[in-house]
Amino acid sequence: GENVEQHPSTLSVQEGDSAVIKCTYSDSASNYFPWYKQELGKRPQLIIDIRSNVGEKKDQRIAVTLNKTAKHFSLHITETQPEDSAVYFCAASRGGSYIPTFGRGTSLIVHP
Amino acid sequence: DAGVTQSPTHLIKTRGQQVTLRCSPKSGHDTVSWYQQALGQGPQFIFQYYEEEERQRGNFPDRFSGHQFPNYSSELNVNALLLGDSALYLCASTQDQETQYFGPGTRLLVL
Repeated sequence: GENVEQHPSTLSVQEGDSAVIKCTYSDSASNYFPWYKQELGKRPQLIIDIRSNVGEKKDQRIAVTLNKTAKHFSLHITETQPEDSAVYFCAASRGGSYIPTFGRGTSLIVHP
Repeated sequence: DAGVTQSPTHLIKTRGQQVTLRCSPKSGHDTVSWYQQALGQGPQFIFQYYEEEERQRGNFPDRFSGHQFPNYSSELNVNALLLGDSALYLCASTQDQETQYFGPGTRLLVL
């Protein structure tokens, strides 16, 4: 089955800095890669996703890049703000039968 | 438009007991998946229901069972509870087989 590795487990940055979270996947058939943000005690919320026919996708301060050959994808957050502090999960799945495999999460801490 | 809802929010049980968790999907969604999220871990897929049938199942024992009703709502049942079943149980719904919307979860504590 699919295996998703996520790094780092904890990331501490100063407000205004950029943050990068990296994930690798094992199943070359995976073609859908969502990222979720989970604040303490709350539900995971989809923040951005990318499909395998696209190399990069941006949404304001958030961007995701995908390297299919290397089987890795990354989340980039620019101009971080304290409210970006949360646990971020990457996931990978095959489209059409959406059973995502999640990474173990990255705890992002943005210091004011 | 209500999002995914779950009940109860919190639950305390003792070992050996049985528990039923409930989920109502987002309006217009016909597929419901259940996940177990242990502390400090990512969600682990339990099973998925579509058209009132279990369509796919993760690596969970038969103590975990479910049901989907004609209105697409769903239940997760866990029998013979173990201490290790303590976790946040998340329900997610989807319509397009890709984007999943999570509910707030039910936090289960087994003593």
